[in-house]
Amino acid sequence: NAGVTQTPKFQVLKTGQSMTLQCAQDMNHNSMYWYRQDPGMGLRLIYYSASEGTTDKGEVPNGYNVSRLNKREFSLRLESAAPSQTSVYFCASRERGGVAADTQYFGPGTRLTVL
Amino acid sequence: AQSVTQLGSHVSVSEGALVLLRCNYSSSVPPYLFWYVQYPNQGLQLLLKYTSAATLVKGINGFEAEFKKSETSFHLTKPSAHMSDAAEYFCAVSGYGGSQGNLIFGKGTKLSVKP
Repeated sequence: NAGVTQTPKFQVLKTGQSMTLQCAQDMNHNSMYWYRQDPGMGLRLIYYSASEGTTDKGEVPNGYNVSRLNKREFSLRLESAAPSQTSVYFCASRERGGVAADTQYFGPGTRLTVL
Repeated sequence: AQSVTQLGSHVSVSEGALVLLRCNYSSSVPPYLFWYVQYPNQGLQLLLKYTSAATLVKGINGFEAEFKKSETSFHLTKPSAHMSDAAEYFCAVSGYGGSQGNLIFGKGTKLSVKP
């Protein structure tokens, strides 16, 4: 099993450009998450999908959109990138969305720089 | 609302010394608590989790943590630090289902190990 995979690993954008971060998991998990990590801030939840067909906002959703394409894939889109979106983005998955005790498994991350 | 406070953004220990990383939580419901480790340029990996089965939880790589309800703490310890333990450590809390089942992360503690 590859677990949670993310593409691309690195990306540099200019202000105003758009891009989509891809995430896929092969563990047959129901829930998927997008986080951003900034120095000294820990991880903050952007959006999550508790199950296929549903998405909800997290703590910092402004400037982002998501799509739960199917059970395996959950993408994050930046429509008009801003320098404040320079960050490391992590995707995670969990077997059961409503079961808080379940472990979240993380991907390797995407380092995004917006100039 | 739930929150996590990690005391000390940086902790430095000598190889062979005790590792103690502090985590205090706030939760209006009985919490589930997690410790994750992040090695440089990698994603997060679960070290251990508390799900109310036992207050002393043993994890991977010789780490353990004790849940103390009276102190609202879940400190991470390892008796003898190894150079390979140098990483950033995140404490996280979650409640029950719905959005309360989502993880709330602390800001992280970077552990340095001196030879």
